[in-house]
Parts: sequence; structure tokens; C-alpha cells
Amino acid sequence: EVQLVESGGGLVQPGGSLRLSCAASGFTFSRYWMSWVRQAPGKGLEWVANIKEDGSENYYVDSVKGRFTISRDSAKNSLYLQMDSLRAEDTAVYYCARGWGRSGWLLWGQGTLVTVSS
Amino acid sequence: QSALTQPASVSGSPGQSITISCTGTSSDVGTYNYVSWYQQHPGKAPKLMIYEVSNRPSGVSNRFSGSKSGNTASLTISGLQAEDEADYYCSSYTSSSTFWFGGGTKLTVL
Repeated sequence: EVQLVESGGGLVQPGGSLRLSCAASGFTFSRYWMSWVRQAPGKGLEWVANIKEDGSENYYVDSVKGRFTISRDSAKNSLYLQMDSLRAEDTAVYYCARGWGRSGWLLWGQGTLVTVSS
Repeated sequence: QSALTQPASVSGSPGQSITISCTGTSSDVGTYNYVSWYQQHPGKAPKLMIYEVSNRPSGVSNRFSGSKSGNTASLTISGLQAEDEADYYCSSYTSSSTFWFGGGTKLTVL
């Protein structure tokens, strides 16, 4: 079955760190750009970061630059998001999504909730 | 730079048509034909409905169509059905190799 499954969310204090994982299955992971998209409670979608098929390029939304790092491991068919210096405004459901070039995201995970609070 | 601009809400009766607009700038919607639209039901992951302005992925009803003029893209849903009630988001690739989403539009089927 073609799917993405996120894990690693939870409650963390402001200034803390968390690492999200996304396990891909049912397709050739190394052939696709991958992205993280988040959604704060009751709010809209926000693109966070993406990474090229071979990991050689990555891009971030300005609000997370220098704090978040996207990476991937094709041997493990996995995507990661290392989140440091977390802030209350980073509280959101984080979705892993398979890129379709620049055309958008056809495949999404179910999301994992990150809550930043003391 | 801020998110793309969408109306907060639209509504229509079953069988009618509605259009949701998505306004960007010459750095995103106006330059690139990489505008996509997503449907999201409460508690669910987004679903791609339109890609590259006007193309439908396999399995998406032909009641959904997209277009673009200048810096504004549009999603039209014809023959409204109860199950179309959801939040809709547009997205565009940008000149900075990043992506914007619109703020989202809540569609109510009366």
C-alpha cells in the first residue's frame, strides 16, 4: 500500500527539540521530492520545508530557517524533521507529503501533533 | 511576503456552482502555472483536487475545475453536493523555490 506514516510528535517545552519521522512505503521513495506541511490548531496549512530526491537541495519557510532541518534516508525510506529552539507558535499538526515536482502534493500522511508549551 | 489571499467563506445550494478565488503576486501565481488546490475535511489530511492550475488527478470528479488570470487563480465546483462541504486551500510555487498556501476557504453547502 502506498502510504506515509508520521511519528515523533508530542509535548515539548519552549526552547526544546523534537525530531519527526515519516516512513514511506509502496513507492520508490528516492524518486520524489518530499515536504513537511503544518497546520496550527484551527488554522490553515503552512508549507514548512522540502528536500530534493537525493537530498542535495532543501528549502524552508522563513519562520523556521536556522531552527528546523529536513533530511532523508533512502535506505530506510524515511523523511525527518529536526526541530530545535521550538516556540509556542510551532504548535501544529505536522504532515509529511510526497512532492510532485513543483505541482503540489498528491500523497499525504495522517499527521503528527507537536505541542510546544510549558 | 504573506500567504495567498482567499475568501474566508463561500456557500451555495446543492446543484449550484461556486468559485473560490486565490490571489497572489507576480512572484508566484502570476508567473508560475504551479497552482494547486486542496480539499480538507475536519480531522483529515488534505486531498489534492487540482494541480498545475487546471488539471485533475485521477479519481477527482470533473465537477472540480481550475483556472488562472494574472495573479489570481480560481477553483470552481459545479453541481454542488453535500460532501463538497469542506475547507479548500490553494497553493503556489514561488520564485524563491518555496511554496505558499492560501488562508483557506470554508465551503458551506446550504
